[in-house]
Amino acid sequence: DAKTTQPNSMESNEEEPVHLPCNHSTISGTDYIHWYRQLPSQGPEYVIHGLTSNVNNRMASLAIAEDRKSSTLILHRATLRDAAVYYCILSRSGGYQKVTFGTGTKLQVIP
Amino acid sequence: EADIYQTPRYLVIGTGKKITLECSQTMGHDKMYWYQQDPGMELHLIHYSYGVNSTEKGDLSSESTVSRIRTEHFPLTLESARPSHTSQYLCASSRGTGRPNTIYFGEGSWLTVV
Repeated sequence: DAKTTQPNSMESNEEEPVHLPCNHSTISGTDYIHWYRQLPSQGPEYVIHGLTSNVNNRMASLAIAEDRKSSTLILHRATLRDAAVYYCILSRSGGYQKVTFGTGTKLQVIP
Repeated sequence: EADIYQTPRYLVIGTGKKITLECSQTMGHDKMYWYQQDPGMELHLIHYSYGVNSTEKGDLSSESTVSRIRTEHFPLTLESARPSHTSQYLCASSRGTGRPNTIYFGEGSWLTVV
């Protein structure tokens, strides 16, 4: 399985933008980049995904490098409710791929 | 909104008891997963299934067992619970085919063995 690398933790001030990086240098052409987040005492929830182009949804934006070896999750205005662990994973559809999560990035939002 | 449900949410049981954690999804997903997570720690895949009558062990060795008799149901069983089994257990599912492979999680089952 292709691996991802994320910083263990990051801090952001409330209402400021947050850029969460992820490196995935061994990504293959069929791998989608997925981001999930896990709020305290809850299961992870889907945030956004992309393949090659940048993506926007109501929760966040995903910026994907041209060579696809890295990506950045962008929260445009961090709120206290965004404090969570954010996971970046690569996901290949179909087949028999196990899906494993790394340690993710713990985001702390400072009031 | 994910339609995947876990019961019980919280359970305290004595050592040696047999327990089954239930997981059901109404999305028709072929793939289902069980993860184990201690507080503040990494998610560990312990079991997964590609479809009915298909189950595999995950990356973390677990004394639990699973079954997949129906597409929507993926229960996890501990024949004899021990304090070392105290943890949060998270069930998840995703489509078997097509892209992308977005995973939907249940709210988790917190197990305490005393």
